[in-house]
Amino acid sequence: SQTIHQWPATLVQPVGSPLSLECTVEGTSNPNLYWYRQAAGRGLQLLFYSVGIGQISSEVPQNLSASRPQDRQFILSSKKLLLSDSGFYLCACSTGGGNQPQHFGDGTRLSIL
Amino acid sequence: DQQVKQNSPSLSVQEGRISILNCDYTNSMFDYFLWYKKYPAEGPTFLISISSIKDKNEDGRFTVFLNKSAKHLSLHIVPSQPGDSAVYFCAARGAGFGNEKLTFGTGTRLTIIP
Repeated sequence: SQTIHQWPATLVQPVGSPLSLECTVEGTSNPNLYWYRQAAGRGLQLLFYSVGIGQISSEVPQNLSASRPQDRQFILSSKKLLLSDSGFYLCACSTGGGNQPQHFGDGTRLSIL
Repeated sequence: DQQVKQNSPSLSVQEGRISILNCDYTNSMFDYFLWYKKYPAEGPTFLISISSIKDKNEDGRFTVFLNKSAKHLSLHIVPSQPGDSAVYFCAARGAGFGNEKLTFGTGTRLTIIP
């Protein structure tokens, strides 16, 4: 089964600084990849998803971007962080067709000061 | 527009009794439903799922029921154990090939009282 690695686990950044969060997947090939954010007291909000290398779909307008330079690598970036970017960022993957669940990494807790 | 709703933010249940978590949805195009369990500072863990062609799916202590006419699903945990204390999210996926996106509810915090 697949394993999803996210790092760092915790990150504190000042407002206006850049961001790069990395997610890598092991144990599968050609997965669908997802970035979610969970704000305090809220559910999981889908930010981006990718069905292949270089293919990114954005779900919500924001100052974040995503890239997929390799099959099992998904990167979440920002050029200038806002206070509202604070939250818990989760990477997920799913494989195959049909009714297959998404599996999540352990997330990155991002605090903006 | 909250298409998947978990109206109970929290629930407390005595150890050994049944825990029932509820979820409602508004989009009739959803055809696959999932429950996830989440501990603090960890990612959600997949628990159980159900396709819209079924009304019940069981896996050990966990059973999910789907009522399509009411657009309602529930997760039953019996017997409840202290390790079940966590936040539970329901999620739904739309129909159609390649449509893998999940819409999540806001979660219910379950506390099992020893």
